[in-house]
Amino acid sequence: EDKVVQSPLSLVVHEGDTVTLNCSYEVTNFRSLLWYKQEKKAPTFLFMLTSSGIEKKSGRLSSILDKKELSSILNITATQTGDSAIYLCAVGRGTSGSRLTFGEGTQLTVNP
Amino acid sequence: KAGVTQTPRYLIKTRGQQVTLSCSPISGHRSVSWYQQTPGQGLQFLFEYFSETQRNKGNFPGRFSGRQFSNSRSEMNVSTLELGDSALYLCASTRDRAYEQYFGPGTRLTVT
Repeated sequence: EDKVVQSPLSLVVHEGDTVTLNCSYEVTNFRSLLWYKQEKKAPTFLFMLTSSGIEKKSGRLSSILDKKELSSILNITATQTGDSAIYLCAVGRGTSGSRLTFGEGTQLTVNP
Repeated sequence: KAGVTQTPRYLIKTRGQQVTLSCSPISGHRSVSWYQQTPGQGLQFLFEYFSETQRNKGNFPGRFSGRQFSNSRSEMNVSTLELGDSALYLCASTRDRAYEQYFGPGTRLTVT
């Protein structure tokens, strides 16, 4: 059975801190890893990673995949209160269809 | 481009009743997936539809069913509701053979 594990489950930081969120996976026929941000509504897409060692960046957020270690990290630099959310990691298989397996998520709280 | 829309946004039902939820994907997206989100289980995959055919199915009982219409709109039905079916039901759409799923705002179902 596919498995995605995120750590930590919860994190509280101060504005301006840098945080690293972790995601590890056990998936048959891995194809891609995705990061989503969820505030009090639908998850919004952040990144998709398919190749190992290539960093994806968007502003203060960046992510990298390590296929050898079956893991990924999501970094957020100079955190702001608006970064407070649940960050979800999901993996997709290399079979037909778009089924994703999600981790439990990391609840990030950024205090002013 | 309009995003994924879901109706209704909120529903309150009693045990034993049935419910139908609706999802309209992003224009041009032919794949629609449904997920159940609860605090204890996180995001769990229900099923995926593509070209009016169920392409993938998660580990949910037969009370959960769905369908897709020729315009890619999808409906999800839950019969004989149980208290444990209370959850946020999220619909996501994607282009064929893509993994970047875009989520709708969800339907919050409460079963009393």
